[in-house]
Amino acid sequence: GESVGLHLPTLSVQEGDNSIINCAYSNSASDYFIWYKQESGKGPQFIIDIRSNMDKRQGQRVTVLLNKTVKHLSLQIAATQPGDSAVYFCAENRKFSGGYNKLIFGAGTRLAVHP
Amino acid sequence: DTAVSQTPKYLVTQMGNDKSIKCEQNLGHDTMYWYKQDSKKFLKIMFSYNNKELIINETVPNRFSPKSPDKAHLNLHINSLELGDSAVYFCASSQPHRADGTDTQYFGPGTRLTVL
Repeated sequence: GESVGLHLPTLSVQEGDNSIINCAYSNSASDYFIWYKQESGKGPQFIIDIRSNMDKRQGQRVTVLLNKTVKHLSLQIAATQPGDSAVYFCAENRKFSGGYNKLIFGAGTRLAVHP
Repeated sequence: DTAVSQTPKYLVTQMGNDKSIKCEQNLGHDTMYWYKQDSKKFLKIMFSYNNKELIINETVPNRFSPKSPDKAHLNLHINSLELGDSAVYFCASSQPHRADGTDTQYFGPGTRLTVL
């Protein structure tokens, strides 16, 4: 299944299926992007990141795709498991004066995995 | 050996009170942050400190005053609490200026503040 990460929509998938969570970012100058997973009652946890000079990066069961032309980011989770149930956030990194960074978070997408 | 820790985890208080939230990181990072997460899960940065110096202040009411006694600690003091301050507050830390341009932020477990 697929979802756009606006206004905290919910993506429901069956265990074992692949999940795709989408995110649109706003600033074409953003050079670094991160996906975070937030389980209930916990803080956001780093999943995978990608720099703007790449269009794909793979981790363990996760792949991030970056399309700079349309300012779109997606997170693909292979063989989704119940433990993947959480809210997923994309974040874009923006540089400002002094070489410091600021993360701008998307609205998040809730992933619900059903057995 | 928690990387970023916050205390307390829950804080319930009356409107008008003053309260503090503490944050500590043992990752050796130079930069620390405070975020506010509202009831719709929207995460927004409030403050950032680098080596005890304020570098980001996102137009937060001056009732909120961060304090960084050293680069491993960033505390948040809130005066005259209002109902709208109810939220989950997250501390984070990172090590910017890496040669590869990455700056991953690591988050604490959060403090749920409820103002009655």
